[in-house]
Amino acid sequence: KAGVTQTPRYLIKTRGQQVTLSCSPISGHRSVSWYQQTPGQGLQFLFEYFSETQRNKGNFPGRFSGRQFSNSRSEMNVSTLELGDSALYLCASSYGAQQGTQYFGPGTRLLVL
Amino acid sequence: KNQVEQSPQSLIILEGKNCTLQCNYTVSPFSNLRWYKQDTGRGPVSLTIMTFSENTKSNGRYTATLDADTKQSSLHITASQLSDSASYICVVKYNNNDMRFGAGTRLTVKP
Repeated sequence: KAGVTQTPRYLIKTRGQQVTLSCSPISGHRSVSWYQQTPGQGLQFLFEYFSETQRNKGNFPGRFSGRQFSNSRSEMNVSTLELGDSALYLCASSYGAQQGTQYFGPGTRLLVL
Repeated sequence: KNQVEQSPQSLIILEGKNCTLQCNYTVSPFSNLRWYKQDTGRGPVSLTIMTFSENTKSNGRYTATLDADTKQSSLHITASQLSDSASYICVVKYNNNDMRFGAGTRLTVKP
């Protein structure tokens, strides 16, 4: 069974631009969560989608948005990029929400210049 | 304030030795507690998930304990291997959907 895949793996953008990251969950998994990881703040929860609906949202500004498609693939969008958005963005999938084991992808490393 | 604190911040041990990592939390109401291992440059990998009623859970050489009364969890690694060198992150889910992450413990296993 293929694991969680994220594209692209690396990305360089400039301030003010917008970016879209993609996550393909493990086949059969319906829940996708997104996290931001930085050296200073550690792992922080962005949002969770289950069956195309956002179930939970972390404490991030509205510039961060996401969506999930009918095949459970998910995209995350960040508009008007700021230097502080430079981070590793991780996607995790699980079969169900709540108590299920999450499987993480390798992440997309975003650098904002 | 809902917090998750891990200690130590970093740890160096010799191959073959045991070690214990700590996670203390103040979040409430508790849903579950997860330990993750994250190798450098990779996404975290789930080691254990513990609910309120579970005291101990093992995954190979990793054994997690939970004391819901004192709000403390530990991750014990037995007979450490070089491949155990990684960051270990404690994540507590509470209030059904909210979660808090610990800052992690950076473990280095030396030959």
